[in-house]
Amino acid sequence: AQSVTQLGSHVSVSEGALVLLRCNYSSSVPPYLFWYVQYPNQGLQLLLKYTSAATLVKGINGFEAEFKKSETSFHLTKPSAHMSDAAEYFCAVKGGGADGLTFGKGTHLIIQP
Amino acid sequence: DTEVTQTPKHLVMGMTNKKSLKCEQHMGHRAMYWYKQKAKKPPELMFVYSYEKLSINESVPSRFSPECPNSSLLNLHLHALQPEDSALYLCASSPAGARLYNEQFFGPGTRLTVL
Repeated sequence: AQSVTQLGSHVSVSEGALVLLRCNYSSSVPPYLFWYVQYPNQGLQLLLKYTSAATLVKGINGFEAEFKKSETSFHLTKPSAHMSDAAEYFCAVKGGGADGLTFGKGTHLIIQP
Repeated sequence: DTEVTQTPKHLVMGMTNKKSLKCEQHMGHRAMYWYKQKAKKPPELMFVYSYEKLSINESVPSRFSPECPNSSLLNLHLHALQPEDSALYLCASSPAGARLYNEQFFGPGTRLTVL
């Protein structure tokens, strides 16, 4: 079964600093990977997805992620954190077709002023 | 229209009540999903409908009964729930078919409290 592991349940960075949220996947076949963000009391919003077209994926709100097969990783980064980035971030993987998503446990991003 | 809507936003029910959650999308998506999210946990898949047919049921108790009346609408009927069923219930949709990396679009959720 496919799965993802997010390292760090909480990450705290200063405003303007680099954001790095870690995600490692476990899959015997090419994975379909996603990053979602969830603000308090809201649904999930897609940040970006890996489609195998490119290893560096750019998403919304200045986020990007790099797929590294050798490290089985798909870490999320943003060069400069903003207070509005404070939220819960989920890495997710899915199988083919209409399969559901399997989420990592989530990382709570805290932005310090 | 690029959004998934869910009603109601909040629902409080007793253990003997019968209620329904509603989800709607007008993006032409043919796959729809129900997820359950407990506080401070990731969403967990409950059901998947593909072309209005139930394709995945993740061993969900029978007190949860999904229904997909048409390609735009998804319901979750609730009966004889337990307090531990209190959670945020999220609906999602995605294009079905051969594009394996189709992302899912999520609604804002229904916050359910079972007394």
